[in-house]
Amino acid sequence: DTGVSQNPRHKITKRGQNVTFRCDPISEHNRLYWYRQTLGQGPEFLTYFQNEAQLEKSRLLSDRFSAERPKGSFSTLEIQRTEQGDSAMYLCASSLWGLAGTFGPGTRLTVL
Amino acid sequence: QQQVKQSPQSLIVQKGGISIINCAYENTAFDYFPWYQQFPGKGPALLIAIRPDVSEKKEGRFTISFNKSAKQFSLHIMDSQPGDSATYFCAPLLNTDKLIFGTGTRLQVFP
Repeated sequence: DTGVSQNPRHKITKRGQNVTFRCDPISEHNRLYWYRQTLGQGPEFLTYFQNEAQLEKSRLLSDRFSAERPKGSFSTLEIQRTEQGDSAMYLCASSLWGLAGTFGPGTRLTVL
Repeated sequence: QQQVKQSPQSLIVQKGGISIINCAYENTAFDYFPWYQQFPGKGPALLIAIRPDVSEKKEGRFTISFNKSAKQFSLHIMDSQPGDSATYFCAPLLNTDKLIFGTGTRLQVFP
């Protein structure tokens, strides 16, 4: 198993554009998490899935953000009408049930 | 998200010395206590974790000490090496659901 993978690794976009990130978890893991990390801070929880069900969403996840995990495997995180404040590292993690997660390398988003 | 308080913010240690990072929490719903290590430009990597029914866990040069009554846990890095230079996060697990990260400690180990 190659671990958690995320694509793209870097994304530069202009304010107002939509962006989509993909996460491929460890295959036998049933939980998939999205976190956001800004410079100099610890990651903050955004949302998580157990199989294909989205079980929790943070208040940080405004209505411009949407996450899916359609077949209980990979997940996508879409940000609509990006704002400069969305610039951050978006981290995906997966785990088996409620164990501590394994993180991917992240997608660094820069909104100009 | 001030549920977890981590200290110090930064730490400079000589090679071979002991690095100690502390984490304090309030929420009794935390049920698992990991430490993550993060290098610049990388995702956090699980370093070591402890269950609340254990007071200490050691893996190689890394030890977690857990004080349930004081709601504190700490990471000790023995014989610190330059390769240990990274940012360390305590990230207790809430209700076996999600990790709540501390603010991080930037460790620098000088030769």
